[in-house]
Amino acid sequence: AQTVTQSQPEMSVQEAETVTLSCTYDTSENNYYLFWYKQPPSRQMILVIRQEAYKQQNATENRFSVNFQKAAKSFSLKISDSQLGDTAMYFCAFNVWTGNQFYFGTGTSLTVIP
Amino acid sequence: EAGVTQSPTHLIKTRGQQATLRCSPISGHTSVYWYQQALGLGLQFLLWYDEGEERNRGNFPPRFSGRQFPNYSSELNVNALELEDSALYLCASSFRRQLNTIYFGEGSWLTVV
Repeated sequence: AQTVTQSQPEMSVQEAETVTLSCTYDTSENNYYLFWYKQPPSRQMILVIRQEAYKQQNATENRFSVNFQKAAKSFSLKISDSQLGDTAMYFCAFNVWTGNQFYFGTGTSLTVIP
Repeated sequence: EAGVTQSPTHLIKTRGQQATLRCSPISGHTSVYWYQQALGLGLQFLLWYDEGEERNRGNFPPRFSGRQFPNYSSELNVNALELEDSALYLCASSFRRQLNTIYFGEGSWLTVV
């Protein structure tokens, strides 16, 4: 079975600090993409970052970076210099080669405190 | 370049009625995905269309259906509405290839009263 687990339903961080959101997944596929999506109060899902499973180098996008541990099936998101606009629900997801299926976690609600 | 567009933004229907939601994908994308997000819950996969065909559907009853048009836009129809169908319906699109990134629209809020 393909699953995504986000064990932190809620988190908070002080503005300008760093926070890490956890995600673990399970798949028997060897070829897949991993994602973090952000859903602010406006409810639009926005792609934050993507990681190809075949790449060993961790993806980075400005203040956002991931720690991808393929053997451990772990894919955490680090947000540096947190800003008020980072307040949102964050969803971890992956897309497998077979059947083009997407699997989403249940989300982590992040609040950035001024 | 326009992103994924959805209409209407909000829709209020009475139990038992039918609702139709619409989605236009990003230009060049041939795949359209529909997700349901009930309040406080995660994303539940509804349907995937590509090249006019239904490619996969989630664990939803047959009263949830849809179609994809030749211009790759899509409709989601929900018949015999029930109160628990009240949710945000998200449409996403992608290129038709194995291993994708999907991009979401702003969603359509459906309220069933």
